[in-house]
Amino acid sequence: GIQVEQSPPDLILQEGANSTLRCNFSDSVNNLQWFHQNPWGQLINLFYIPSGTKQNGRLSATTVATERYSLLYISSSQTTDSGVYFCADNDYKLSFGAGTTVTVRA
Amino acid sequence: EPEVTQTPSHQVTQMGQEVILRCVPISNHLYFYWYRQILGQKVEFLVSFYNNEISEKSEIFDDQFSVERPDGSNFTLKIRSTKLEDSAMYFCASSGTRGGEAFFGQGTRLTVV
Repeated sequence: GIQVEQSPPDLILQEGANSTLRCNFSDSVNNLQWFHQNPWGQLINLFYIPSGTKQNGRLSATTVATERYSLLYISSSQTTDSGVYFCADNDYKLSFGAGTTVTVRA
Repeated sequence: EPEVTQTPSHQVTQMGQEVILRCVPISNHLYFYWYRQILGQKVEFLVSFYNNEISEKSEIFDDQFSVERPDGSNFTLKIRSTKLEDSAMYFCASSGTRGGEAFFGQGTRLTVV
């Protein structure tokens, strides 16, 4: 199956900073999803983004399917942005990356 | 807003016992899934279910596991003869179409002692 690599594995940010998380795929991207796993373990949908760019508040995502990668941008980070961010390729089932653990410090 | 609901949120069971994890998918969704996340690790696919039958299953989903849709709303995961290594967060998910946006329940944290 498709392999999903996320980078960086860990990210420490000062509140207010901007950051970029990356997801690389070993094969053609199908329907990409980004999730945020909060400290309680819940997987929160951020974006369903097979291609192109979407924005939702301080978050935005870009998927370039032909080049097999997706980016998640966090702007003006807040402490509530802390948690693990997962990308997953959605082709009838989700294939998850290992995640990026984001810690935002006040 | 429609959501996937799972019960119980926490379950502690003794090794060797059977557990049933329950899920109510979003009402108009047709594709249902179970995933597992061992503490600190990535989310792993277990099984997908469509049209009242298993569509695909992973290597993890062996004879110890089974799924069922006993009525029009519930979707269950049964784990027989639980082992210590079955301790994990189990997530149910559903989507309206194949490859469509998947939504996850809040998870059931299973602890086998």
